Amino acid sequence: AQTVTQSQPEMSVQEAETVTLSCTYDTSESNYYLFWYKQPPSRQMILVIRQEAYKQQNATENRFSVNFQKAAKSFSLKISDSQLGDTAMYFCAFTTSGTYKYIFGTGTRLKVLA
Amino acid sequence: GAVVSQHPSWVICKSGTSVKIECRSLDFQATTMFWYRQFPKQSLMLMATSNEGSKATYEQGVEKDKFLINHASLTLSTLTVTSAHPEDSSFYICSASVGTSGEGETQYFGPGTRLLVL
Repeated sequence: AQTVTQSQPEMSVQEAETVTLSCTYDTSESNYYLFWYKQPPSRQMILVIRQEAYKQQNATENRFSVNFQKAAKSFSLKISDSQLGDTAMYFCAFTTSGTYKYIFGTGTRLKVLA
Repeated sequence: GAVVSQHPSWVICKSGTSVKIECRSLDFQATTMFWYRQFPKQSLMLMATSNEGSKATYEQGVEKDKFLINHASLTLSTLTVTSAHPEDSSFYICSASVGTSGEGETQYFGPGTRLLVL
């Protein structure tokens, strides 16, 4: 069975600092896609970043970047220069080629402290 | 771009009544729409996947007669909670994706609907 594990239920970081959220997954598939979504207090799910497994280059989106380690099945999210607006629940998600369904992790609640 | 709306955002109803929630893709045509349920401080639980013009595919354990899904057009899907009971109270989220290849299409999420059944 395919699974996504987020081992950090809660984290906090000082404003302007850098924080890394971890995500590991388990699959026997070779072609798949990984996502990080953010769910702020408004509960609107927002796509943060997307990574194709066949791409070796780590995806980057402004202050957000990933460390994709395919052999280790790890997909961590690094947030640089943390801002108060980054306070949210962060979900890691996974989908394989040929299916439309996402498998979500249990989430990491991030609090950015002023 | 890629905006998904949901209506209503909040609904309170009496036990035994039915409630309809609409999910619309505003600026794109969604070939596939998804309905999720989220309990407080928990992850999203997929309820069903729907494609325009065809019957929805429900996840194991989801009662298809209780949660009716209609995907009438490429921009509209509806979820009807029939004969709602207090245990159906939850946060319901829809999402939509473009494309039919099944190659990691991004899902775009609506803002969610909070349902409270009294």
